[in-house]
Amino acid sequence: NAGVTQTPKFRVLKTGQSMTLLCAQDMNHEYMYWYRQDPGMGLRLIHYSVGEGTTAKGEVPDGYNVSRLKKQNFLLGLESAAPSQTSVYFCASSYASQGFTEAFFGQGTRLTVV
Amino acid sequence: QQQVKQSPQSLIVQKGGISIINCAYENTAFDYFPWYQQFPGKGPALLIAIRPDVSEKKEGRFTISFNKSAKQFSLHIMDSQPGDSATYFCAASMEDNQGGKLIFGQGTELSVKP
Repeated sequence: NAGVTQTPKFRVLKTGQSMTLLCAQDMNHEYMYWYRQDPGMGLRLIHYSVGEGTTAKGEVPDGYNVSRLKKQNFLLGLESAAPSQTSVYFCASSYASQGFTEAFFGQGTRLTVV
Repeated sequence: QQQVKQSPQSLIVQKGGISIINCAYENTAFDYFPWYQQFPGKGPALLIAIRPDVSEKKEGRFTISFNKSAKQFSLHIMDSQPGDSATYFCAASMEDNQGGKLIFGQGTELSVKP
């Protein structure tokens, strides 16, 4: 059982370039999230989705776009990369349920923008 | 606005000692408080979680203490081991129809010395 898989694991971009990060989950989860992790800042929510075809903004959405065309996939796009987007990006997914909802994380994508 | 504040940023404990990490939150609508553990190069993974209707939850060497009136909660690791060396994140969320998204603290890097 793969869980949450992120592609790619590492990437170096030049300022102004674009790229898409792919997240795939095989647990049939309704909810999916994209976070970025920066030293001393914890994990900050970029965008999230509560179901196929739906997306919403999180805490730090500027400069990013997302799409959820299939339930199992959640894509994060950077249209014009900036050095401030250098970070480690984590995708997560969870069940849609009342009460405790454990989020399962991927292994991360380390992105450097030069 | 940082809705969940975590301290300390780093912590060094001797093997067998007690590790204590504290978090404070602002939004009284939060109703789920998990702790996540992250090893280098990996994504965070759920360690233990609590709802505000109880003041303490214990799982093995890990205990969450919760003070609803003070809007604070803490993680205690008893008999700390070198294998506990990791980054710990507290988080909070509220059960709504917006994905139950987690808001994370800044993280605590724990090092347990042999």
